[in-house]
Amino acid sequence: AQKVTQAQTEISVVEKEDVTLDCVYETRDTTYYLFWYKQPPSGELVFLIRRNSFDEQNEISGRYSWNFQKSTSSFNFTITASQVVDSAVYFCALSEAQGNSGGSNYKLTFGKGTLLTVNP
Amino acid sequence: DAGVTQSPTHLIKTRGQHVTLRCSPISGHKSVSWYQQVLGQGPQFIFQYYEKEERGRGNFPDRFSARQFPNYSSELNVNALLLGDSALYLCASSLSGGPAETQYFGPGTRLLVL
Repeated sequence: AQKVTQAQTEISVVEKEDVTLDCVYETRDTTYYLFWYKQPPSGELVFLIRRNSFDEQNEISGRYSWNFQKSTSSFNFTITASQVVDSAVYFCALSEAQGNSGGSNYKLTFGKGTLLTVNP
Repeated sequence: DAGVTQSPTHLIKTRGQHVTLRCSPISGHKSVSWYQQVLGQGPQFIFQYYEKEERGRGNFPDRFSARQFPNYSSELNVNALLLGDSALYLCASSLSGGPAETQYFGPGTRLLVL
């Protein structure tokens, strides 16, 4: 069974600090996909990034960067020069085939989330 | 383009009642999934539908049911509500529901059962 662990329940930083959110996953599939979502207080999950299991190239997008390491089953997310608007709950999620009843559905398995608070 | 929409935004029910939640996917998306998010937890998978057929369900009791309509919108029904059903119910849509596809989420329906 697939599992996602976000060990950090809450993180508090001061604006302009860098912060890294950890994500460790478990899966028996050789092909899988990893996602990060942001959930502001409004509740809507906002998609940030998707990575597939056969592409370990790290990615940078503006102030965001992601470090994917299959050897340690980790997919960590770093925000550089954090801002107050980055305050939210961040979820890491895993997608793999469930293979239900001869068909397949590709549910997302989420971690419990990390609450990031950026203080001015 | 409009994103995923859900209605109602908030709902208060009492134990034993039933509830129907509605979701409209992004235009062109044919797959809808439902998730339950209890306070302080990550979303938990309930159902996935594609082309009006149920593709799978999570570990939820038979009180939970859903369907998808020809226009790809979807309803989630919960019967005999329990206090523990209080949660944020999220709907997500994707093109065809494949594992590599990004699921885009709606704003959710906050259900409170008293």
